[in-house]
Amino acid sequence: GAVVSQHPSWVICKSGTSVKIECRSLDFQATTMFWYRQFPKQSLMLMATSNEGSKATYEQGVEKDKFLINHASLTLSTLTVTSAHPEDSSFYICSADGQGQYEQYFGPGTRLTVT
Amino acid sequence: KQEVTQIPAALSVPEGENLVLNCSFTDSAIYNLQWFRQDPGKGLTSLLLIQSSQREQTSGRLNASLDKSSGRSTLYIAASQPGDSATYLCAVRGSGAGSYQLTFGKGTKLSVIP
Repeated sequence: GAVVSQHPSWVICKSGTSVKIECRSLDFQATTMFWYRQFPKQSLMLMATSNEGSKATYEQGVEKDKFLINHASLTLSTLTVTSAHPEDSSFYICSADGQGQYEQYFGPGTRLTVT
Repeated sequence: KQEVTQIPAALSVPEGENLVLNCSFTDSAIYNLQWFRQDPGKGLTSLLLIQSSQREQTSGRLNASLDKSSGRSTLYIAASQPGDSATYLCAVRGSGAGSYQLTFGKGTKLSVIP
């Protein structure tokens, strides 16, 4: 149980285009999901916290107009990178809150390359 | 603001050795602590979760301890194997209202030499 999927697993896009990444909790409902970004050889940095049915809470320094987050259902959150630039190239990982123990379950990540 | 430090940044050991990875955090007001494994280019695999009221957790060859008052946790790996080679991340979760997010350390890159 407690499986989180992400789609796509990798994507290459041209500078100036937008890319949408999906995060799904497959066998449980997640009222809260999280989006992280990881640069090469760096640790995970929290970008935003997403609550179902409400606006996402962004961490300091993360542009909410550039990284659009939608959490429309208890099993799906999406991250849209708008007007992507090469510096947005990174590994994006989502996670979802499990029940009870406040354990986060992580997706497999999405590798974004902007050319 | 919570800060998590992992020492060493990298570690190389021969197969069969027992080893310890260290994690320290600055704010002892945590809800729990998790150890993860990350293989290159992959997502995170949760290894052990320790609640703030617990002292240790064990899973197979892995044992994690937590000393909340001193802000320290260790991950002990017994009889290391080449398949254990990966980056190990420590993360703590705050206990304040609304503090749902995890704060990660930078990880320890482990190489187990056959």
